[in-house]
Order: sequence, then structure tokens, then C-alpha cells
Amino acid sequence: DVQLVESGGGLVQPGGSLRLSCDASGFSLSDYTMNWVRQAPGKGLEWLGDISRTGYTISYADSVRGRFTISRDNDKNLLYLQMHSLRVNDTALYYCVRDGLFDYWGPGTLVTVSS
Amino acid sequence: SFELTQPPSVSVSPGQTASITCSGNNLANQYTAWYQQRPGQSPILVIFKNDKRPSGIPERFSGSKSGNTARLTISGAHVDDEGDFYCQAWESAAASIFGGGTKLTVL
Repeated sequence: DVQLVESGGGLVQPGGSLRLSCDASGFSLSDYTMNWVRQAPGKGLEWLGDISRTGYTISYADSVRGRFTISRDNDKNLLYLQMHSLRVNDTALYYCVRDGLFDYWGPGTLVTVSS
Repeated sequence: SFELTQPPSVSVSPGQTASITCSGNNLANQYTAWYQQRPGQSPILVIFKNDKRPSGIPERFSGSKSGNTARLTISGAHVDDEGDFYCQAWESAAASIFGGGTKLTVL
């Protein structure tokens, strides 16, 4: 079965950094583009960016470009989201999502940015 | 900028047909997908490429599109179909967007 499990969330102060990981299993990570999507408490879904199968092409939403970096390690079946200069409004549940069809979602990891 | 507009809420009685719309400039030229998010759960894909249903999704879920408006139809809604529904499209090869979400109530 396809499984995506995010980790690395937690409480961080404004201006701080955090790195999220997504452990993929049940499929070959190298066969799929991968996405990060977040959901602020009580709000809708926001696409943050995606990374191509090889990691050569990466795209970002305007709201995080220059602060967040997506990377992957296909050999370890891991996807990453490095977040810098975190703001209060980055507080959200962060999902790792497979493919341009967004066909499988992890349970998410909660990031809280607060002083 | 490209935006997808959904009604905030839709309410139907069990067994009735629920219809949720998603409108956006140039949506006619983009594939639309739909996701269901039950309370406290992650979203699941229920429709992709406008009208395709993933395996395991009940036949009562269907998708269509006319011009710049996509529609998710749930024929004979069940109580456990309740939740938030989001449409999604790729604005370009490098940017995806979700609609604001529609809360479906079945009671």
C-alpha cells in the first residue's frame, strides 16, 4: 500500500527554521513528481510547490518562494521541505502529496509558528 | 491571477443529488480534480481529469465541466459523504491552485 508519513513539525519562533521530511513507501519515489500542500487551521488547501522525479525541476508558490526549499532523496525514499524565515501565518498542517494528480496524501505534520 | 471559486456550503437531504461548482478564468483549458476531506482526515482524490473516477470511489461521484465551470455531482448523497470538497487545477505547468472549498452537509 502507498504510504506517506510526514515528520519534523513542531513549535518554532517567528524568523526560525524547520525541516520537514516525508517518508514514502509502497511505491518507487523516483517514479513520481511530489508536492507539498498546507492547510492553516480552519482554512482551505494551499499548494506550496512540487519537485520533478529527478529533482531537477522545482516550482514554488509565490507565498513561499525564496523562503522554502523542496528537495528529495530517491535512494532513501524521502521528500523534504526546508523552511526558513518562518512567519506566524505559516502555521498550518503540512501535507506531502504524490503526483500531479495529488492521488495520495500523508496525514500531515503540524507546524506552529509563535513566540 | 488565476482563482477557483466555490460556494462556501451546500446542503442536501440523504438520497438527494448534491452539486458543487468550481469556476475560474481559463478553466475550460485546464483539467479539474476534486478532493473530499472528511473532518479530521486528509483529503482524498475523488475525481481527476474533469470526469475520471479513481478506483475505490463510489459511482455516485461524477465530474463534468462546461466552459469555465466544473461541477462535482454526488447522486444519492449518503450521510458519510459529508465533509469539505475542494476543486483543483494547474494554472500552468509550474503552479497549482485549489478552490476555497465547499462544506457539504447531508441531513
